[in-house]
Formats: sequence, structure tokens, C-alpha cells
Amino acid sequence: DGGITQSPKYLFRKEGQNVTLSCEQNLNHDAMYWYRQDPGQGLRLIYYSQIVNDFQKGDIAEGYSVSREKKESFPLTVTSAQKNPTAFYLCASSIVAGPDTQYFGPGTRLTVL
Amino acid sequence: QKEVEQNSGPLSVPEGAIASLNCTYSDRGSQSFFWYRQYSGKSPELIMSIYSNGDKEDGRFTAQLNKASQYVSLLIRDSQPSDSATYLCAVKPPGANSKLTFGKGITLSVRP
Repeated sequence: DGGITQSPKYLFRKEGQNVTLSCEQNLNHDAMYWYRQDPGQGLRLIYYSQIVNDFQKGDIAEGYSVSREKKESFPLTVTSAQKNPTAFYLCASSIVAGPDTQYFGPGTRLTVL
Repeated sequence: QKEVEQNSGPLSVPEGAIASLNCTYSDRGSQSFFWYRQYSGKSPELIMSIYSNGDKEDGRFTAQLNKASQYVSLLIRDSQPSDSATYLCAVKPPGANSKLTFGKGITLSVRP
């Protein structure tokens, strides 16, 4: 079964904690993305990576960090510097060449306690 | 600022009717256009992509693209209650390094 997996499905964070969200894909896609979705809002790009060991900031990168050590994996860390992290986090992937058709994982819902 | 605008909604149609969802975009050179469906609490699911002017049909769904007027629409024929969801329009601006820009979505409710 090809696809994108994200874990955990739900995550609770205390104030001041860093948390890491997992994203894995077996579609052999080169590009991977992290989005944040708030209620009633569209998707906002946090970080993206088009190749292993390289990544770029998106529109709202402050308070987040990523790594891309393997083609299949693109974990996102929400740091304590992110002041309002409660949101639905979506990971996506695509092939680099072509129209950039992106496919999404099931998402992680992060809540700050 | 590249923008993708969708009707504010929500949109309510009776079962069996045609639902028409519209999207306009600001970057004239955009080449790739997508419609995603998102059920409440779930992630977006790709339902249509369109790259050339005109209509593209897939089952009950038809995507319409007019690059001169900078709009893309999605028609859902014979709407079913299971079509009730939020529909996101996404546009890829021109340029090799450009990224998909998403609209805020429109919520469709199909009344039985």
C-alpha cells in the first residue's frame, strides 16, 4: 500500500515543550511539505523539502524546525517558540517535476494544554 | 502576494441538484489547478486537476478552467449527502520554484 503516514493522530503539548510530528511516505516522491490548518482557514505552508538534506522555509516557519535525512521521512518539530501551536498539521508529498500534484497524509491534531 | 479566492459560503443545495463551486486566482501565468475535498476532521483528498482551458469531466465532477478570466470552477452533478464537505481550490503559480497556493475553502452541504 503506497501512501503517507503521520503520527501521532492526536498530540497534546504543555507550555514550553518541544514536540515532534512524524511524516513518512513510500510513494518515492522527492518533495515533501508541512502545512498548518486553523479552523476556517486555508492551508499555510510551514516548510518544504525537494531533496534529501535540503529544505526551505514556507510562509510561517517561525517556531518550527524540520529535517530531511531520508527521502521517506520529513519530521516537523514544534518548538516552544511557536506561541500559538494548536492546529491541524498536514504533511504532503509530490514529485518534483511536473504540475506539483500534492497528496496528503491523514494529519496530526496538536493541542496545547 | 499570490491569492486564491473562493466564495465565502457555506453553500447548501438539495440532493440531486448541481453544486457550483468557484475559485479565482491573481497570478495570470498559473498553469496547474486542483480541487481537493476535505471532510470534517480529515485531510484533503485530491478529486480533480486541470491544466488546459475548458472542461474536464470525471464521473459526477466537472472542472472548468478559464485562464483569460482567471477562474476555475468545480461542478458536482446529482449532488449526494456524501458530497457534504469543504472544497479547497489550489493553484500553482508560474515559476519552477513556486508552491501551491490554497484558497480558504468553501463548505458544501447537500440536503437530503
